[in-house]
Amino acid sequence: DQQVKQNSPSLSVQEGRISILNCDYTNSMFDYFLWYKKYPAEGPTFLISISSIKDKNEDGRFTVFLNKSAKHLSLHIVPSQPGDSAVYFCAASGNTGNQFYFGTGTSLTVIP
Amino acid sequence: NAGVMQNPRHLVRRRGQEARLRCSPMKGHSHVYWYRQLPEEGLKFMVYLQKENIIDESGMPKERFSAEFPKEGPSILRIQQVVRGDSAAYFCASSPSTGSLNQPQHFGDGTRLSIL
Repeated sequence: DQQVKQNSPSLSVQEGRISILNCDYTNSMFDYFLWYKKYPAEGPTFLISISSIKDKNEDGRFTVFLNKSAKHLSLHIVPSQPGDSAVYFCAASGNTGNQFYFGTGTSLTVIP
Repeated sequence: NAGVMQNPRHLVRRRGQEARLRCSPMKGHSHVYWYRQLPEEGLKFMVYLQKENIIDESGMPKERFSAEFPKEGPSILRIQQVVRGDSAAYFCASSPSTGSLNQPQHFGDGTRLSIL
């Protein structure tokens, strides 16, 4: 039962262009959404989050958009840099906050 | 290093042995979560603990797996009588609080468990 889905296993983008990573969820009770970045042999690193009362949150080159009616969120990285190459996981939690539900990840490659 | 510390980083066990994975949360964090990542999959929640209490173990297999977070010392994830299917990366995360404060969880670098 995959409640958070990332349908693109991989994405390649030219350096300097925009990277758009997508995530869909099924549980309407989710109210907190996060993006994590993961390098090989390391743990996920928190990147950016958004609560359901907002539809956009921006932090430097990273912007997360939330469309509650479509149960969809996306992460925009602009401009993309080679150091952004990693696996990106989206995650969601409900108001109990006990656990995060993770997507299967999207591997981003930024080509110099 | 004030981050979440997991050890060992790599653990090799033979079928039938016991595996013990340790996690020390970030300083000031009192909530610990264990996740498992199988190859080509996302992270799957296993258990959520506070000091001396298991709060949510809905993701834990019913047999062979147990977790604790004692008053003193690290959290321990214990797998008894390991089988090949237990081979995975096990990640620990911690947070200062949960619920409406919407705190992100901070992860350790994981323990990679290999079963021979």
